[in-house]
Parts: sequence; C-alpha cells; structure tokens
Amino acid sequence: QKEVEQNSGPLSVPEGAIASLNCTYSDRGSQSFFWYRQYSGKSPELIMSIYSNGDKEDGRFTAQLNKASQYVSLLIRDSQPSDSATYLCAVNSYTNAGKSTFGDGTTLTVKP
Amino acid sequence: DTGVSQNPRHKITKRGQNVTFRCDPISEHNRLYWYRQTLGQGPEFLTYFQNEAQLEKSRLLSDRFSAERPKGSFSTLEIQRTEQGDSAMYLCATPTADTQYFGPGTRLTVL
Repeated sequence: QKEVEQNSGPLSVPEGAIASLNCTYSDRGSQSFFWYRQYSGKSPELIMSIYSNGDKEDGRFTAQLNKASQYVSLLIRDSQPSDSATYLCAVNSYTNAGKSTFGDGTTLTVKP
Repeated sequence: DTGVSQNPRHKITKRGQNVTFRCDPISEHNRLYWYRQTLGQGPEFLTYFQNEAQLEKSRLLSDRFSAERPKGSFSTLEIQRTEQGDSAMYLCATPTADTQYFGPGTRLTVL
C-alpha cells in the first residue's frame, strides 16, 4: 500500500462544473498537506496547503482535511479548460513544505 | 518562473555513461531537495541539503548517485554508470515555511 493514495482517474468534468479530487494517507503523524498542479512536461506548482482539520478556501479552490479519517480533498469550482492537468497530493511529517511524500496524481480534464 | 533553475533541461545519454545535473536555487533559501519523477508517478524524494550539509538520503539513492552543494549555493546531482531505469525527470526544489518552489526539472533519457 502506498503511503499517499489518489484516484488515478482520469477525471473528466464539463466546463463550469465542480471537480472533486481525493487523497488518503497512511501516516497518522503527518502534519502538513499540499495540493500541486502539474501540466504535462512541466514541474509541479503548489496551489494549496492545509494544516488543520476543516476547509481552506482560496479563490476557486477549496482544500478539506480530516485527520481522523486520514483524508484530504481538493474541490475546484467553476472548472475551466485551463484547469486540465494532473493534481498531486503531498504529505509532510513536518510543519514545513520540505520533504514530501507524493501520491501518483489524478489527471483532470475539463471539457469546454 | 519560480526562480529555481536547472540545467540541462534535457539529457540523452547511453547506458554506462556518467551524467551531472545542476540546480541553482533561490539565493536566500538554505534548504534544497532533489526528487525523481517517472512517468505516471508522483515525485519521489532523493536527498536534502541544509546549506552545504547533506542531511538525508533516500534508499532510492544508490551508490551510483552522488549529490553535492558546495558553499550552500548551487547543487549538483551525478549519476555514474547510468542504467535505463534511471530515465526520469529529476526535480530540484527549495521550500519556505509553507511553499515549495520546484525548478523546471532535467529530463534524463538513457538509451
């Protein structure tokens, strides 16, 4: 079992819809959680970080964390074709954005 | 552009050759991480520097791999006697407290 698991997808949603991406992790000592976006052939770009249980909103993105269930999710509202990318979930055992354990990503396609 | 640069961006080599990659981080960032990413997988941690000290190495970093960060500035990752399984994207990253900046990566192809 991988330490960080994501649905591999692909996930396809129509433009304007809500895209929901999910991630589970195995290390109960994990303290910080990140979502990265990665376009094909490019390096990952950090889009959200979350450290405590609950929701964190930033524009069209909402990250949700439930430590008891060891579950992190990312919601993308009003999805745009430019959101089409692979989304990587990353988990740290430390309270910093350094050494991360990544999931294998979920590929999202937003259809016009 | 995150301010982290990597060179070369692409490297094609023959099996058994040595290759070296360079990462130039954001100047005021004292931590530097190397990751490797293969197709369809997430990045995997390789090694970590705090200034010039290499503080942690993954089991993925076999004896053929060596990394340095002289003077705590740029870093190099060398792979000796390359194998086809070394083909991957090699990523360099420098973090702040809550943000991690990745370089554009070096894509290695071993023929």
